[in-house]
Amino acid sequence: ETGVTQSPTHLIKTRGQQVTLRCSSQSGHNTVSWYQQALGQGPQFIFQYYREEENGRGNFPPRFSGLQFPNYSSELNVNALELDDSALYLCASSPGQGILNTGELFFGEGSRLTVL
Amino acid sequence: GNSVTQMEGPVTLSEEAFLTINCTYTATGYPSLFWYVQYPGEGLQLLLKATKADDKGSNKGFEATYRKETTSFHLEKGSVQVSDSAVYFCALRPGAGSYQLTFGKGTKLSVIP
Repeated sequence: ETGVTQSPTHLIKTRGQQVTLRCSSQSGHNTVSWYQQALGQGPQFIFQYYREEENGRGNFPPRFSGLQFPNYSSELNVNALELDDSALYLCASSPGQGILNTGELFFGEGSRLTVL
Repeated sequence: GNSVTQMEGPVTLSEEAFLTINCTYTATGYPSLFWYVQYPGEGLQLLLKATKADDKGSNKGFEATYRKETTSFHLEKGSVQVSDSAVYFCALRPGAGSYQLTFGKGTKLSVIP
């Protein structure tokens, strides 16, 4: 069983640029969520996708956007990068909605973004 | 809103010592509670969970009891090992209809031989 994989693992951007991060969910999982983890902090929920639609969003501005594809993989896009966007971005998948949702998330190792 | 507060780290213990990491929460309704662990160089993984008051979650010698009266979910282990060195995160999910986790800031545990 393949776990959650993310790419790239590390990247450096400059302020004002745009970035795309990618995530492949664990086999059989149709729900993907993204979290931002600043240094020394716990992960903060950005948004969640289920069946290619966003079905939950945290307190992040619209320049954070995402996509989910028919194979359940996902992208996180961040426009107009700011210095405070420097963080570890975590993708997590889960096996479903309703009674299948036990609340357990399966995390990737993250993409570390540095904005200069 | 929902929030999780856990004890500040880092925590350094000798092997075989007793571990407690405190976690308290604020939430409306009946949240589910979780402990996640992040080992060096690895992604977050679920350690244990409890979905209703008085439930006890347990895994790998770790335990935590969902205490609604004190809004707490403290993590304990009777005898830690060097391999338990990691960052531990307490988290809550507000209710069965919500899929968003709210995490605490994390507590780094170092166990020395």
